[in-house]
Amino acid sequence: ETGVTQTPRHLVMGMTNKKSLKCEQHLGHNAMYWYKQSAKKPLELMFVYSLEERVENNSVPSRFSPECPNSSHLFLHLHTLQPEDSALYLCASSQGGMTQGKAFFGQGTRLTVV
Amino acid sequence: DQQVKQNSPSLSVQEGRISILNCDYTNSMFDYFLWYKKYPAEGPTFLISISSIKDKNEDGRFTVFLNKSAKHLSLHIVPSQPGDSAVYFCAASAFNNNDMRFGAGTRLTVKP
Repeated sequence: ETGVTQTPRHLVMGMTNKKSLKCEQHLGHNAMYWYKQSAKKPLELMFVYSLEERVENNSVPSRFSPECPNSSHLFLHLHTLQPEDSALYLCASSQGGMTQGKAFFGQGTRLTVV
Repeated sequence: DQQVKQNSPSLSVQEGRISILNCDYTNSMFDYFLWYKKYPAEGPTFLISISSIKDKNEDGRFTVFLNKSAKHLSLHIVPSQPGDSAVYFCAASAFNNNDMRFGAGTRLTVKP
């Protein structure tokens, strides 16, 4: 238990569906992140929120839409995804940014787009 | 543009022996390096880190070595235990930059 909880753990969705991934951290951290891990590829940073403001968006397609309503919660809204979006989506949190403290990761959501 | 590379996708060692996992990076601005460990069905967990002002950091059975001139770091686990079997990710970042770059991971198997 890392203090970062992601739901659901597994998700299968059609290309026309709309779904949301949820992340919650109980560590009092002020930064939260979404990462994507595709098979045999490095983790790719998607979004960074610091103090509930988005500070980084790494050229992620608009079919992925993040939301950070407060410092403890982070969502990733999904719509009209493609099969190549199937991957493990990991949420992480840290205090003061990645270089000022280690990040704590959730268990991930295994997403399959059919 | 893969700035952090782990060229060995897998490594198998005998229990009690040393495990050496390697990582290379290309961005000379990186000054903070971490190793994460990931078990199946779990998220990565922080293992050990090193800043560029050091060339070695030790924590119990785990030691990370940094060779800045070669842009290379390595993780040594000694003695290796079956419970160390996992995927190990190397990560690097530049000061005050939230974009931490990860390698593709090395799957370590420690045989009893």
